[in-house]
Amino acid sequence: AQKVTQAQTEISVVEKEDVTLDCVYETRDTTYYLFWYKQPPSGELVFLIRRNSFDEQNEISGRYSWNFQKSTSSFNFTITASQVVDSAVYFCALSELGGSNYKLTFGKGTLLTVNP
Amino acid sequence: NAGVTQTPKFRVLKTGQSMTLLCAQDMNHEYMYWYRQDPGMGLRLIHYSVGEGTTAKGEVPDGYNVSRLKKQNFLLGLESAAPSQTSVYFCASHRQSLSGNTIYFGEGSWLTVV
Repeated sequence: AQKVTQAQTEISVVEKEDVTLDCVYETRDTTYYLFWYKQPPSGELVFLIRRNSFDEQNEISGRYSWNFQKSTSSFNFTITASQVVDSAVYFCALSELGGSNYKLTFGKGTLLTVNP
Repeated sequence: NAGVTQTPKFRVLKTGQSMTLLCAQDMNHEYMYWYRQDPGMGLRLIHYSVGEGTTAKGEVPDGYNVSRLKKQNFLLGLESAAPSQTSVYFCASHRQSLSGNTIYFGEGSWLTVV
C-alpha cells in the first residue's frame, strides 16, 4: 500500500525566511506521480506541481522549488523569501500509475504560518 | 469555465437524515473521485468512478453510496447521516490518462451532522 508522510504538522516562520516542507513517500510501484497542493484559509485546493517518477530533475517556479530524490523517497518543497500570502496548509500526494485509476494518497498536511 | 462544481457548498443535517452531494464537471473527464477531509487527516478517498455507469470503493466507503449515471455527474449519498460524517467533501476529476493532464478539484462542500 502507498503512504505519504509529512512529518511537520505545523511550521511558523517570519516573512522573508526560507522554509522547506518535507514529504516522504512509500510505494511498491516503480512508476508514479507526486503532487503538491496548497489549501489557503478559504479552503480550496490549489494545484502546485506534478512530478513523474521518471523525472528526477529539480524544479523551480518563482519562489517555489521542489527537490525530488528517489533514493530517499522524498519530494520536498521549498519556499524562498516567504510571504504572508504563503500561509496555508500544504499537502503532498502520491498516485500510482498501475491499475485503472489514479487514486491520490495524501499526507496529513503541513500548516505553514508566515508572520509579518 | 465552470470546471468542477460541487453542490451544496454548506449543509447542516440532523443525525439520521439523508442527503446527496452533487459533483458536476464540464470537461468530459472519465475519472471522478469523492474525498473527505478531516482535521489532521489529510484527504481520504471515499469512492471513485472510472467512467459512466461504474463506481468503486475507496479507503473509507462505509456509510456512503455513489452513482455515475451521467458522465458529467458523480453523486455522493448519505442514507442515514451520522456525526462522524461531519467533514469537508471534495470532488475531483481528470481525463483517462494523467499524462499531460492535471487533477481538478471542486471547491469543497462543508457538511455538519448534529
